[in-house]
Amino acid sequence: NAGVTQTPKFQVLKTGQSMTLQCAQDMNHNSMYWYRQDPGMGLRLIYYSASEGTTDKGEVPNGYNVSRLNKREFSLRLESAAPSQTSVYFCASRGNPYNSPLHFGNGTRLTVT
Amino acid sequence: AQKITQTQPGMFVQEKEAVTLDCTYDTSDPSYGLFWYKQPSSGEMIFLIYQGSYDQQNATEGRYSLNFQKARKSANLVISASQLGDSAMYFCAMREVLYSGGYQKVTFGTGTKLQVIP
Repeated sequence: NAGVTQTPKFQVLKTGQSMTLQCAQDMNHNSMYWYRQDPGMGLRLIYYSASEGTTDKGEVPNGYNVSRLNKREFSLRLESAAPSQTSVYFCASRGNPYNSPLHFGNGTRLTVT
Repeated sequence: AQKITQTQPGMFVQEKEAVTLDCTYDTSDPSYGLFWYKQPSSGEMIFLIYQGSYDQQNATEGRYSLNFQKARKSANLVISASQLGDSAMYFCAMREVLYSGGYQKVTFGTGTKLQVIP
């Protein structure tokens, strides 16, 4: 079972370049999330989507945009990458029951030089 | 204010001993939930255990148990009989509903790095 699939696994960008991180889940979950993980700061929520067609900002949305293309896919776009966006990015999805955990992808390690 | 606080950046435990990882939280949502995740050095996030705010009993999953003290707003993870494979980062997380949209937001603490010593 694939679960949550993120691409790419690694990416190096130059300052000012743009890119889109892709995420897809095959568990029919309504909620999807993007987090970034930085040393000593845990996972911080960038954007989330409660259902297809809806998105909302998390704690650190500046410099990012998202698209919930359909129920399966939730992409994260960096329009003009900055060194401060060097991080590990995780996509996650969650089912409806109140005790459903987040299911994570394997992460994307992004370096902006 | 921090929603989820993990005050132990790093912990050591002897193999086969028990260890408690601390987590305190803050929320005004009466129907919240608390999760613990393990992140080994390989980087994946592994769900360990869940405790709901209305659950009467402390959650247990194998060697993991959650010491839930609602009045103190704490949800500490207890790992019994530590194994070398338990060496990892451990994150506490909280699910709460945002009344503005009914969305279920999940917020993480900064993590505790556990090292199990042979």
